[in-house]
Amino acid sequence: AQSVTQLDSQVPVFEEAPVELRCNYSSSVSVYLFWYVQYPNQGLQLLLKYLSGSTLVESINGFEAEFNKSQTSFHLRKPSVHISDTAEYFCAVSVPEGGFKTIFGAGTRLFVKA
Amino acid sequence: DVKVTQSSRYLVKRTGEKVFLECVQDMDHENMFWYRQDPGLGLRLIYFSYDVKMKEKGDIPEGYSVSREKKERFSLILESASTNQTSMYLCASTQGWRAHEQFFGPGTRLTVL
Repeated sequence: AQSVTQLDSQVPVFEEAPVELRCNYSSSVSVYLFWYVQYPNQGLQLLLKYLSGSTLVESINGFEAEFNKSQTSFHLRKPSVHISDTAEYFCAVSVPEGGFKTIFGAGTRLFVKA
Repeated sequence: DVKVTQSSRYLVKRTGEKVFLECVQDMDHENMFWYRQDPGLGLRLIYFSYDVKMKEKGDIPEGYSVSREKKERFSLILESASTNQTSMYLCASTQGWRAHEQFFGPGTRLTVL
């Protein structure tokens, strides 16, 4: 069975500082990996995903994540955060041949302070 | 633009009431899901459906049932609401048989008094 661990429940950071949100997963088979973002009072929306190919994936708003198979990690990074990045971020994993289910982590709440 | 809508953003019900949460997607997706979201627990799958009239239990189905009479609509039913079902409920949909990106609705925050 797959599982996802987000190592930090809350991450406070000052505006324009770099940030890393950590995610580790466990699986005995190959996986798809996702980061979703949830802004206040909204549903989740996809930020970026790794399906195959290049291990470094990027989003349109400056986030990136790197799939590290040996460390079973998929950490999310941004070199300079904005106030508008304040949100909850969820790491998720699914198994390509495992049907429809996606397993979500507990979430990391990012607070960006002025 | 793809869209998943949920019938209510906020709902307040009393213990023992029957509660219906409705979800509609306009993307012609085969698969639909109901999750509940609680602080520190992330999203937990209640039920999902991969076709009309088909349903599968997720990780926490107890106290819930679902209905999918039309492809675009997936309903979550709380047969007899209890206070421990106070939560945020999220509906999502996906295309195809592989678990790629999920498209989420805005959520329904349910309070059971």
